[in-house]
Amino acid sequence: DAGITQSPRYKITETGRQVTLMCHQTWSHSYMFWYRQDLGHGLRLIYYSAAADITDKGEVPDGYVVSRSKTENFPLTLESATRSQTSVYFCASSDMAYLVWYNEQFFGPGTRLTVL
Amino acid sequence: KQEVTQIPAALSVPEGENLVLNCSFTDSAIYNLQWFRQDPGKGLTSLLLIQSSQREQTSGRLNASLDKSSGRSTLYIAASQPGDSATYLCAVRAAGNKLTFGGGTRVLVKP
Repeated sequence: DAGITQSPRYKITETGRQVTLMCHQTWSHSYMFWYRQDLGHGLRLIYYSAAADITDKGEVPDGYVVSRSKTENFPLTLESATRSQTSVYFCASSDMAYLVWYNEQFFGPGTRLTVL
Repeated sequence: KQEVTQIPAALSVPEGENLVLNCSFTDSAIYNLQWFRQDPGKGLTSLLLIQSSQREQTSGRLNASLDKSSGRSTLYIAASQPGDSATYLCAVRAAGNKLTFGGGTRVLVKP
């Protein structure tokens, strides 16, 4: 399927466990992003990547790890999940035009994560 | 630090009425502003992208205006329909290709 997909769509885990959320895009977009959405905080950027092997922190990176060995994949790992990481996680991607900042971000359907 | 505000947080209108959604931001040094729609339990759908050099962008019944100097954008939805019921989010793009989101306006269009 074309576009941006996330898996799993729903995940329940326990405190202290490692969890990896997957994100895959078929557009070959340069930029990829991870956001979390929480009531009262809106959408906040966790990490982003400008290209394969290039990642950078966003607003709320603590407790998360990312990697990007291939352009199309951008997994997000919670190394030791905590209850405060219960949230809905969205992956997004954006192309890189000659005017790099001008392009839309397109979002995946989200992963609802519950940490017990 | 950029802050984006959307007021009101919720809005209810009868079908057929025009919708006016507001977005304000504190730092005018933006590259563009994007409006999204989010249905309950779903992802974000991009509606309109308006560049910092533009004053207006239109798509069908949707029209977005941007006044960068005053830090404001308005999304107009003409002749609202029940299917327009959703949460509308605005986000501004600044350096680093990062988006800063507003809290959203939840819209209910009553038949």
